[in-house]
Amino acid sequence: GNSVTQMEGPVTLSEEAFLTINCTYTATGYPSLFWYVQYPGEGLQLLLKATKADDKGSNKGFEATYRKETTSFHLEKGSVQVSDSAVYFCALSVSQAGTALIFGKGTTLSVSS
Amino acid sequence: EAGVVQSPRYKIIEKKQPVAFWCNPISGHNTLYWYRQNLGQGPELLIRYENEEAVDDSQLPKDRFSAERLKGVDSTLKIQPAELGDSAVYLCASSPGSHNEQFFGPGTRLTVL
Repeated sequence: GNSVTQMEGPVTLSEEAFLTINCTYTATGYPSLFWYVQYPGEGLQLLLKATKADDKGSNKGFEATYRKETTSFHLEKGSVQVSDSAVYFCALSVSQAGTALIFGKGTTLSVSS
Repeated sequence: EAGVVQSPRYKIIEKKQPVAFWCNPISGHNTLYWYRQNLGQGPELLIRYENEEAVDDSQLPKDRFSAERLKGVDSTLKIQPAELGDSAVYLCASSPGSHNEQFFGPGTRLTVL
């Protein structure tokens, strides 16, 4: 079946530290991959996406590269800020299985100054 | 542009009571999704609508859950009767089409006592 596994949190970093949140997937067919972010008290927001192998999604200093050979889509940021504190969800969609998103469990990031 | 609107934001009920959630999608968005997010988990699809037609309801527990999207705009999700295990956040999302970015509402947090 289709599934997403992401590293468990919480992840606690100091401001300006490097961030990596690991995400691996299992999918039938060729999935599109996403990172969503949920800030406290707000709804899920799309952070970035990649629709085919070797694509790199990027937004707000965050990046993730679609790696088909390792079935991974790790989220990275070179220098985190306090305002990046949120819950991050890795997700995939496979058109053969409809267009619903399949999410990982989420990783809580806490950045302190 | 207004985002996806959901109400109520919070609901506390006793088990065996009925409850209903309402969603107003972004204007012009034909596709509407209901997801359920259990504590510490990622969202999971309950039902997807294309206009007024439910095209994927395979994950909806039909013995107690029902949904409708009259006129292909607003949608209501109902639980009757509610059980303790239904405590979760119910998220509504919409997109211009089934293969476009999904925009999420803030969710309704349901607590069943």
